[in-house]
Amino acid sequence: EAGVAQSPRYKIIEKRQSVAFWCNPISGHATLYWYQQILGQGPKLLIQFQNNGVVDDSQLPKDRFSAERLKGVDSTLKIQPAKLEDSAVYLCASSLVLASQRRNTEAFFGQGTRLTVV
Amino acid sequence: AQSVTQLDSHVSVSEGTPVLLRCNYSSSYSPSLFWYVQHPNKGLQLLLKYTSAATLVKGINGFEAEFKKSETSFHLTKPSAHMSDAAEYFCVVRWLEYGNKLVFGAGTILRVKS
Repeated sequence: EAGVAQSPRYKIIEKRQSVAFWCNPISGHATLYWYQQILGQGPKLLIQFQNNGVVDDSQLPKDRFSAERLKGVDSTLKIQPAKLEDSAVYLCASSLVLASQRRNTEAFFGQGTRLTVV
Repeated sequence: AQSVTQLDSHVSVSEGTPVLLRCNYSSSYSPSLFWYVQHPNKGLQLLLKYTSAATLVKGINGFEAEFKKSETSFHLTKPSAHMSDAAEYFCVVRWLEYGNKLVFGAGTILRVKS
């Protein structure tokens, strides 16, 4: 089974520029997560989708970050304009488990996109 | 609020000695519990998960974890460390009552000395 695909793997941009990340989850996975992992910290949830709806975006800095999953499959995460503190690895994960479902199925993670803002 | 605490940011062991990585969580709700490993420049890989069938869970590469509800803990162990175990380990918890979002601990970096 194919895993979670993310692109690009690496990105270097100047502050105030914009950037977009792409994620293709495992086929059939209704739930998709975006996480931000700053060096030395555990991943922090940015947004959780169920199909094309948002379940949780309480920690998404909405003044500069946006995300969409229009057809309930692929997702893009955008930052505009970027700040130095946005330098991090952005992880995408997908899962069969719905927000209201009790199951012990795990989430599967992509390789991540390493963003450096200079 | 829900949180996950990994008590040690760094653990250093000698090859062939036991490994203990500690994880505690807060919440009175029943959790789904996972340990993931992250090798440098690699993605997160599932080590093991608690499925409620048994409190002692066996995972890949000889790792085990024990769920102790009374202590709200899910510590990861391995009887004998190998050099290839050097990596960062994350305890991850999910609660149905919080929409099944994945909550990560801060991670523990395991160093294995020869």
